[in-house]
Amino acid sequence: GAVVSQHPSWVICKSGTSVKIECRSLDFQATTMFWYRQFPKQSLMLMATSNEGSKATYEQGVEKDKFLINHASLTLSTLTVTSAHPEDSSFYICSARVEGIEAFFGQGTRLTVV
Amino acid sequence: AQSVTQLGSHVSVSEGALVLLRCNYSSSVPPYLFWYVQYPNQGLQLLLKYTSAATLVKGINGFEAEFKKSETSFHLTKPSAHMSDAAEYFCAVTFPTGGGNKLTFGTGTQLKVEL
Repeated sequence: GAVVSQHPSWVICKSGTSVKIECRSLDFQATTMFWYRQFPKQSLMLMATSNEGSKATYEQGVEKDKFLINHASLTLSTLTVTSAHPEDSSFYICSARVEGIEAFFGQGTRLTVV
Repeated sequence: AQSVTQLGSHVSVSEGALVLLRCNYSSSVPPYLFWYVQYPNQGLQLLLKYTSAATLVKGINGFEAEFKKSETSFHLTKPSAHMSDAAEYFCAVTFPTGGGNKLTFGTGTQLKVEL
């Protein structure tokens, strides 16, 4: 299957700083990318959907000014957690999809805000 | 609205025993259904998918699932569990209408395999 690379795998940052997470489709062009958040022992919660060249669509309750998503090319989407706080600590996962229904997932990023 | 329900947040089986993970869906239109596996601190790996072709779907690692419309179910099975099967399993649903459709995940089932 297609490969989605997410970077970094883990990051620790100080409260108040911003963190950028990258999601790349390595061997295909992704028209749509999704960002999920996963709390310990819980399911994946969709945060936003991004399409290349357009603004991301955020799910209800997700602060678009806090979680900035940029899908600048067909192979790269970034999630920036701005002014991070300890409650933003979580596991973030991206997925990418070509036309069709199958989504390919990155390996996830463990964010810890101290 | 679409949803999936996974019965049993934790399932424990002996090595070599049958694995049965349950998933029921709710939707007003024919769904596409998926099973994913997640190992600790990793992303999701697709095990198998149902996209309105054969109702019995075979996936990787010896897993299979059967789509039963009458029961609105898509249970995941494996005849003989292996220690390496211990992981979190998620059932998910989406719909075949255009691009950009969202995946809705179940709450997950933690599979434990004992010697």
